[in-house]
Amino acid sequence: GDSVTQMEGPVTLSEEAFLTINCTYTATGYPSLFWYVQYPGEGLQLLLKATKADDKGSNKGFEATYRKETTSFHLEKGSVQVSDSAVYFCALSDRGGSYIPTFGRGTSLIVHP
Amino acid sequence: DGGITQSPKYLFRKEGQNVTLSCEQNLNHDAMYWYRQDPGQGLRLIYYSQIVNDFQKGDIAEGYSVSREKKESFPLTVTSAQKNPTAFYLCATQPGADTQYFGPGTRLTVL
Repeated sequence: GDSVTQMEGPVTLSEEAFLTINCTYTATGYPSLFWYVQYPGEGLQLLLKATKADDKGSNKGFEATYRKETTSFHLEKGSVQVSDSAVYFCALSDRGGSYIPTFGRGTSLIVHP
Repeated sequence: DGGITQSPKYLFRKEGQNVTLSCEQNLNHDAMYWYRQDPGQGLRLIYYSQIVNDFQKGDIAEGYSVSREKKESFPLTVTSAQKNPTAFYLCATQPGADTQYFGPGTRLTVL
């Protein structure tokens, strides 16, 4: 079945540091890939997505590129802020299958001033 | 203003009690989902419904029940058979094979 693996956290950074959160996936079909963000005590919200190979999703300074050859969708940001502290979830939705999304376990990011 | 509402925000349950969590949406999305989230854990799928009057068990359906009588509503009942219900519960909708939209969540605590 489909699966998503993301790096374990917490990831602790100083403000203005470079961020990478790794995400790899396995899927039998043609998935769309997503990054969601969850702030404390809230639901998840979409951060960015990509629907086909080599697409780059971007939002709020975050970027991720759909790499089919390495089955990866790593999240990056050039300069993090304290307000980026949250839990980040990588996910896929298989358009050729049931559409039920598969989520990674989440990676907590803590940014210190 | 379109969105998903979950109520209540906080809920307390006594031993042996059934409680119902509300999820309402006005996004006109066909599919609705219920997830459970434990501290430091990812999301676990409880139930989902892709059309009115039909729903399917997810990975951890035991001790839970749902109904889908209207497109807008997908309530989740946590029954007394669920022995460890303390968790954060998230409702989500999905239009086709695309982005999921999440409600603000309900935090359930067993007293």
